[in-house]
Amino acid sequence: SQTIHQWPATLVQPVGSPLSLECTVEGTSNPNLYWYRQAAGRGLQLLFYSVGIGQISSEVPQNLSASRPQDRQFILSSKKLLLSDSGFYLCAWSVETGYTGELFFGEGSRLTVL
Amino acid sequence: GENVEQHPSTLSVQEGDSAVIKCTYSDSASNYFPWYKQELGKRPQLIIDIRSNVGEKKDQRIAVTLNKTAKHFSLHITETQPEDSAVYFCAAAMDSSYKLIFGSGTRLLVRP
Repeated sequence: SQTIHQWPATLVQPVGSPLSLECTVEGTSNPNLYWYRQAAGRGLQLLFYSVGIGQISSEVPQNLSASRPQDRQFILSSKKLLLSDSGFYLCAWSVETGYTGELFFGEGSRLTVL
Repeated sequence: GENVEQHPSTLSVQEGDSAVIKCTYSDSASNYFPWYKQELGKRPQLIIDIRSNVGEKKDQRIAVTLNKTAKHFSLHITETQPEDSAVYFCAAAMDSSYKLIFGSGTRLLVRP
């Protein structure tokens, strides 16, 4: 069966520090991978998605970036965090053959920038 | 791009009553409309979805309706139970797109 792992679960970082959130998927090959941010009252905001290794599409201009160094690994990064980067970050995957519906989410990473 | 609006932001109902959550979308090309439920401290999970070739879909106490002309869709929960308390998200996408755009969420509280 397929599983998705995301870490760290909780992170407290000072403004201006770097960020790295990691996500891996097991039990499937060539998944579509996504990073969403959940802020209070704003739902789930799509940040990045990837349909293959090295292929990243950005949906929201900001100081965050994403990379996909391996087929089932998706990384969210920042060189310098802002206060506004605080939130709950969710990694997700879907099946490879186009968009067939269900997104499977990781357990999330709660980031607090102080 | 697609924009999804969801109402209400909070909803409180008595156990056994019905709950209705409504969403509107902007892109007439969207043809896939799922609903996700997020219990407190847990990840969102798909509970039901509908495609634009049907107007209504039911799954036990949950139903979703779609009005393509008006570009809105709704989630209906009948005979609500305390375990239905959660945040519900609607979303919209095109089958040819990899992007699923979510609404802002509705916090449903079912009072025992």
